[in-house]
Amino acid sequence: QPVLTQSSSASASLGSSVKLTCTLSSGHSTYIIAWHQQQPGRAPRYLMSLESSGDYNKGSGGPDRFSGSSSGADRYLTISNLQSEDEADYYCETWDSDTRVFGGGTKLTVL
Amino acid sequence: EVQLVESGGGLVQPGGSLKLSCAASGFTFSGSAMDWVRQASGKGLEWIGRIRSKANSYATAYAASLKGRFIISRDDSQNTAYLQMNSLKTEDTAVYYCTRTHSSVDYWGQGTLVTVSS
Repeated sequence: QPVLTQSSSASASLGSSVKLTCTLSSGHSTYIIAWHQQQPGRAPRYLMSLESSGDYNKGSGGPDRFSGSSSGADRYLTISNLQSEDEADYYCETWDSDTRVFGGGTKLTVL
Repeated sequence: EVQLVESGGGLVQPGGSLKLSCAASGFTFSGSAMDWVRQASGKGLEWIGRIRSKANSYATAYAASLKGRFIISRDDSQNTAYLQMNSLKTEDTAVYYCTRTHSSVDYWGQGTLVTVSS
């Protein structure tokens, strides 16, 4: 089954950009993933699904400042023009026929 | 608007049972797979399992660590999914989320808190 690896924390300044990484385990580099955002005290929210080609499909209501990209086994979430409300935990997710896995999450701090 | 509303959480003693419900609206529930995900306080997301649609024979799958204690079911006539939890342990204390899945999870409920304690 696939495993997803994320850095535990990241930080960036208000108004800047940040790129979060989710890495798929060996043998799973072609998998589609999804990104989810969890603001403090709230339920997670789906942001987008992201293919190995770099094509991504955003959920409804998601800000245009969020984009996705891919390189090999790495999947990226880029947030531009960081706002205070972007301070949150970000989780990646993938799946196969009989299982679904989440990465450990990255806690993003907006300075 | 898609809405998923969980209910049934609360305090239960170790070894006890609890059944959570997830009331869905705003989409064709009968055609959707539904998953359950939990999150212990201060921890990450943990997948529990899923149930597919009638067209996919209501097939279920579970996380290996939970198989045998947790059972997912659904009632398409009530647009509701269920999570039956048995032989509960203190480490099952968490917020439990109902989710809709179309390949990935694409909608989350607000969650319901389950506390397992004596």
